[in-house]
This record gives sequence, structure tokens and C-alpha cells, in this order.
Amino acid sequence: NSKVIQTPRYLVKGQGQKAKMRCIPEKGHPVVFWYQQNKNNEFKFLINFQNQEVLQQIDMTEKRFSAECPSNSPCSLEIQSSEAGDSALYLCASSWTGAFYAEQFFGPGTRLTVL
Amino acid sequence: GDSVTQTEGLVTLTKGLPVMLNCTYQTTYSPFLFWYVQHLNEAPKLLLKSSTDNKRTEHQGFYATLHKSSSSFHLQKSSVQLSDSALYFCALGTGGYKVVFGSGTRLLVSP
Repeated sequence: NSKVIQTPRYLVKGQGQKAKMRCIPEKGHPVVFWYQQNKNNEFKFLINFQNQEVLQQIDMTEKRFSAECPSNSPCSLEIQSSEAGDSALYLCASSWTGAFYAEQFFGPGTRLTVL
Repeated sequence: GDSVTQTEGLVTLTKGLPVMLNCTYQTTYSPFLFWYVQHLNEAPKLLLKSSTDNKRTEHQGFYATLHKSSSSFHLQKSSVQLSDSALYFCALGTGGYKVVFGSGTRLLVSP
């Protein structure tokens, strides 16, 4: 069973509304990744953190998406103004390192539906 | 840029038959390849990983060999079971902090 906890499992928002989801990484993992998995099951990398610092993020994230991993609190991903195209499964993963050779441990995801 | 190609979107098989799911990649760096499996409504989890050329790696009856000469890391199993029905993702790590995932292959095993 996954030790990465994501809440909520399901999120329904209207267009223009904020959507916020949270992730608690596996204990001892300092690196957190966020991915968007679309209806065709394709993964899109959004952002990753090492502790509280951003390692990498894509341009999309810099505009309507915001994310943080505060100390001693769950990580979060927020969409400021949801669009229909944001409907997807948002997966959080954690790892002991952000390096390219490390296994990522995934949570079950938050399924966002934007009406 | 770096990319991963999985040519089959859907593979349907009868239980007990062998399977091979294709994965090829493109990179100018030294590759690290992964296979992840995602069962319905569950989190993806690692199945196999390798960075060693021409060495077979195995786990839970699945196996794969990284062939750098052909840029391939195909996933195989000699006899599929009903419980193998899932989405299978090939992924490529080439440096830095990012891993590139393929589009996934759905495996459906029937009785």
C-alpha cells in the first residue's frame, strides 16, 4: 500500500474556481514531485521540491498553478483559476533523492473534475 | 529532447500466454530506465529499473533487458495472470531531477 497520502481523492470545481490538493510524502523523503495524468494516461511533470525548495517546474506551473512544501506541513498544489483542460488525475510522488536514478513512490492521486 | 515511446496503447491476452510490452527511448545521455505498474484506482509503483547494458533484471515474474544499441527496454513475462491487468509505464531518467514517462500500455488479461 502507498505510504504517500493525497487528499482529497476527488475534487469537483467550476471553471474559474480555485482547486487545492495536498500531499504528505513518505516519511524520510525530502523530495516531492507533482504530475498531471490526463485522460489518455499521459504523465506531465509539473514541479518538484527538495524540502521547501523548488528544484524544477514547467512554465504552466508558473502561471496558474502554485505549489509549496512548507516545513512540518503537507505539500500542496493549487490551481488559481480552474479550466476545463485541468481535469485530470494529479499524482504526488516522493523520493529519498531527486536524482534521475531514484525510484519514485506515488500516492493514489487527486482526481480533479472541472465542470 | 529526451523521450519515451510505448507503441501499444492496449494489449489484450488470455491468461497463461507470454507478453512483451515495447519501450524505446531517445536521449543523448546515459539512460536509467524504469517500468512502473498502475492497477485500477491505485498508485503507480515501481516494477523494474536498470541502467546496465545487456543485463536482464527481474521482479515478480516480469523481466526486462536494457539494450543501449537499440535504445530499448521491453517488458516481458512468460505467463500472464489475471492480476497482471493494469497500466504499464516505461520511464527514462537521464540526469538532473526529472523523469520522462511514456504514454503507457494497458494490459488486459482475460480468463
